[in-house]
Amino acid sequence: GESVGLHLPTLSVQEGDNSIINCAYSNSASDYFIWYKQESGKGPQFIIDIRSNMDKRQGQRVTVLLNKTVKHLSLQIAATQPGDSAVYFCAETGGATNKLIFGTGTLLAVQP
Amino acid sequence: DAGITQSPRYKITETGRQVTLMCHQTWSHSYMFWYRQDLGHGLRLIYYSAAADITDKGEVPDGYVVSRSKTENFPLTLESATRSQTSVYFCASSESAGQASGNTIYFGEGSWLTVV
Repeated sequence: GESVGLHLPTLSVQEGDNSIINCAYSNSASDYFIWYKQESGKGPQFIIDIRSNMDKRQGQRVTVLLNKTVKHLSLQIAATQPGDSAVYFCAETGGATNKLIFGTGTLLAVQP
Repeated sequence: DAGITQSPRYKITETGRQVTLMCHQTWSHSYMFWYRQDLGHGLRLIYYSAAADITDKGEVPDGYVVSRSKTENFPLTLESATRSQTSVYFCASSESAGQASGNTIYFGEGSWLTVV
């Protein structure tokens, strides 16, 4: 499930490695999911999205995987670069509401 | 270039004071949102608006007031600021409801508010 502690989950990777950031969503009725990247001191920035009728979607260096059976979403970043260092949020929406519900985020730290 | 701007970017105020955070977007997006971001809670929706003169509560609306007299502006007012309202506030806009058309929500740069 989502972490609600006071410390942000952190993923530390070496430059050039692939990164996988995971997210467990809460609402089985959610049908649209988005990954955001937030750099220090800035607002969240859209990365990639996926609808519930898909289980995989690819972008430039990023891939989102959706497993509706276990309500799990992941973001894969290929050949991680220092510029990828940021907090990554998943968000879900759908069902009876049009509001986005955000996860608590994961800090990706890329080591040179 | 079109965009979404927030002001002020940084504000320190005293407990009990009224504070208004401004949000302006140039896309003519129908939907606008206010979120607050606190460590351990991610982004939580305060209020949102589907169009001018239409607003609705989000997850954490208590202590906040919004208005939407014009499509492009969506000010957020803390009527009597409290220390628990110290946070980073993000305004966002979207062309339509998120799941209806797949449009994403675009965020402003944030307003850092400290209540002392």
